[in-house]
Amino acid sequence: GENVEQHPSTLSVQEGDSAVIKCTYSDSASNYFPWYKQELGKRPQLIIDIRSNVGEKKDQRIAVTLNKTAKHFSLHITETQPEDSAVYFCAVPLSGSARQLTFGSGTQLTVLP
Amino acid sequence: GAGVSQSPSNKVTEKGKDVELRCDPISGHTALYWYRQSLGQGLEFLIYFQGNSAPDKSGLPSDRFSAERTGESVSTLTIQRTQQEDSAVYLCASSVGSGGELFFGEGSRLTVL
Repeated sequence: GENVEQHPSTLSVQEGDSAVIKCTYSDSASNYFPWYKQELGKRPQLIIDIRSNVGEKKDQRIAVTLNKTAKHFSLHITETQPEDSAVYFCAVPLSGSARQLTFGSGTQLTVLP
Repeated sequence: GAGVSQSPSNKVTEKGKDVELRCDPISGHTALYWYRQSLGQGLEFLIYFQGNSAPDKSGLPSDRFSAERTGESVSTLTIQRTQQEDSAVYLCASSVGSGGELFFGEGSRLTVL
C-alpha cells in the first residue's frame, strides 16, 4: 500500500513568519495531493489540493508545491497568524483502482503571538 | 442535510459491550469512509465504500469491527466486545467519488471503560 511520511510532527513559528510542512510518498502513480487542517476539537477540512499536472498552486497565504520526480509535496503558509494554529494532514490516494486517501501522521503547528 | 452527520456524538460504554455508530453522508456522495483518530494521533483508515462495489475493509483492526452501508446512503460501524483500546474518535467522511475532496462529520467519540 501507499506509504506517506509527514515532517515535522510539531512546528512552532512566530506570528508573521512562514511555515513549511513536507510529505513524501511511495506510489509514483499518485496524482492527487490534498492538505487538510484540523483545529482543536473540530473535523478535518480541506484547505488546498494539487493535481499532478501542475507543480505549484497558491490560495492567498497558503501554497502547495509538488515534486513528482522526488515524490514529495509541501504545504507553505506565509505571514502566519494565530488562527493558523492547528494540526495539518497531507493525504495521498492508495494505489489500485479504489484510490481512497491515506493520511500522513499530522503536523501540530503553533503560531506564537 | 447540508453536511455529513454522525451519531451519537459521544458514547461511553463498558468493556465487552457492543456499540453501533451511524453516519449519514452528503446526499449524492457515492464514496464513504470511516477513519479512527486516537487522542493526539493521525487518521487511521478503517473501511471504504464506493457505490455498489465491494467495500475495502483492509483497515479494520480486528474481526470485532464491521461496517455496512445501504446503497449510497447511511452507514453503520459496529464494534463488538469493545476493548479499552477501541476508545477514540470515529470519523466518517464522504466524497462525490473516489479521489475527490472528503467532507468529514464531527465524529463519534467512543470511550470504553
